[in-house]
Amino acid sequence: GAVVSQHPSWVICKSGTSVKIECRSLDFQATTMFWYRQFPKQSLMLMATSNEGSKATYEQGVEKDKFLINHASLTLSTLTVTSAHPEDSSFYICSAETSGGSRQYFGPGTRLTVT
Amino acid sequence: GENVEQHPSTLSVQEGDSAVIKCTYSDSASNYFPWYKQELGKGPQLIIDIRSNVGEKKDQRIAVTLNKTAKHFSLHITETQPEDSAVYFCAAWEQAGTALIFGKGTTLSVSS
Repeated sequence: GAVVSQHPSWVICKSGTSVKIECRSLDFQATTMFWYRQFPKQSLMLMATSNEGSKATYEQGVEKDKFLINHASLTLSTLTVTSAHPEDSSFYICSAETSGGSRQYFGPGTRLTVT
Repeated sequence: GENVEQHPSTLSVQEGDSAVIKCTYSDSASNYFPWYKQELGKGPQLIIDIRSNVGEKKDQRIAVTLNKTAKHFSLHITETQPEDSAVYFCAAWEQAGTALIFGKGTTLSVSS
């Protein structure tokens, strides 16, 4: 149990275009989901906290107009990278918190490459 | 805010040896401490966790200990195998709806 999926697993896009990444909790409902960014050989950097039915809370330094987050249901959160640039190339990972906040499970990640 | 320190940053052991990774945290309000294993190109996988009302937890070859007074917790892997090679992250957490605070990770290499 407690499986989190992400789609796509990898994506290549051209500079200036937008990319949407989906995060789904497959066998549990997640009131809260989190989006992280990870650079090679580094720890996870929290980008934003996403609560179902409300606006996401972004970490300092993360542009909310560039990284649009929508948490429309208890099993789905999406991250849209708008007007992508090569410096947005990274590994994006989501996590979902089980009800009551007992545990957080991570998705497999999405590798974004902007050319 | 919470700060988690993790040591060592790299750890190399021979197959069959034990490996220990240590973390310290700063916020006494933190009450949940998970450990994640991340293989190259994959998302972190929860391998074991411990809550503040427990001092030790074991799952087969993996164990975690927690010292609330000293604010540190450790991951112990016994009888290491090459497939244990990965990056391990510790984390601390305070309450529902908040993000985990991660350590910087430990790259474990198990040679056969």
